[in-house]
Amino acid sequence: DTEVTQTPKHLVMGMTNKKSLKCEQHMGHRAMYWYKQKAKKPPELMFVYSYEKLSINESVPSRFSPECPNSSLLNLHLHALQPEDSALYLCASSQGPQGSNQPQHFGDGTRLSIL
Amino acid sequence: EDQVTQSPEALRLQEGESSSLNCSYTVSGLRGLFWYRQDPGKGPEFLFTLYSAGEEKEKERLKATLTKKESFLHITAPKPEDSATYLCAVQVGSGYALNFGKGTSLLVTP
Repeated sequence: DTEVTQTPKHLVMGMTNKKSLKCEQHMGHRAMYWYKQKAKKPPELMFVYSYEKLSINESVPSRFSPECPNSSLLNLHLHALQPEDSALYLCASSQGPQGSNQPQHFGDGTRLSIL
Repeated sequence: EDQVTQSPEALRLQEGESSSLNCSYTVSGLRGLFWYRQDPGKGPEFLFTLYSAGEEKEKERLKATLTKKESFLHITAPKPEDSATYLCAVQVGSGYALNFGKGTSLLVTP
């Protein structure tokens, strides 16, 4: 069992739907991440939150909107997605601050399918 | 440009047949090299962090080593449950980002 919990585990949505992915960690980590992983590819960084503030946005389309309500929670709001956005979405966390070389711990992801 | 290359892409071993996975990197300002294991449909599971050349870490049948140009993940007497994709990632500079290799898919047969 991982210490980073993601819900839902699976999500199927149409291109006009609005949905949210949720991530929770209780390790006291101050950095949280969203990654996208396509089949047989490594994870690709999307966003980084450091101390609840958006630190990195890797040129992600605006149809993906991250939110960090508090130090334990991270959301990814989805709207008007495209079929090519189908992927495994991974959340991770690590101890802050920026520049520390502590490992990132991943959740098991949300498998997203866009119809 | 920072690069991380893992080899081989795929490896098939008999149970008990020891081997090594390679992760070579060309980066400036390495702050840490990380090994992860990923099972199908799961997130990457953290295994080891290596910070400086000469460092070694061990966990059960796995041993990770680091030089100035590459890291090796040695698997001693593997078992079928060691079958997974093994990912190597490096962290450089002052940022948070991990630069992942493409992974090595390991299959251990009984």
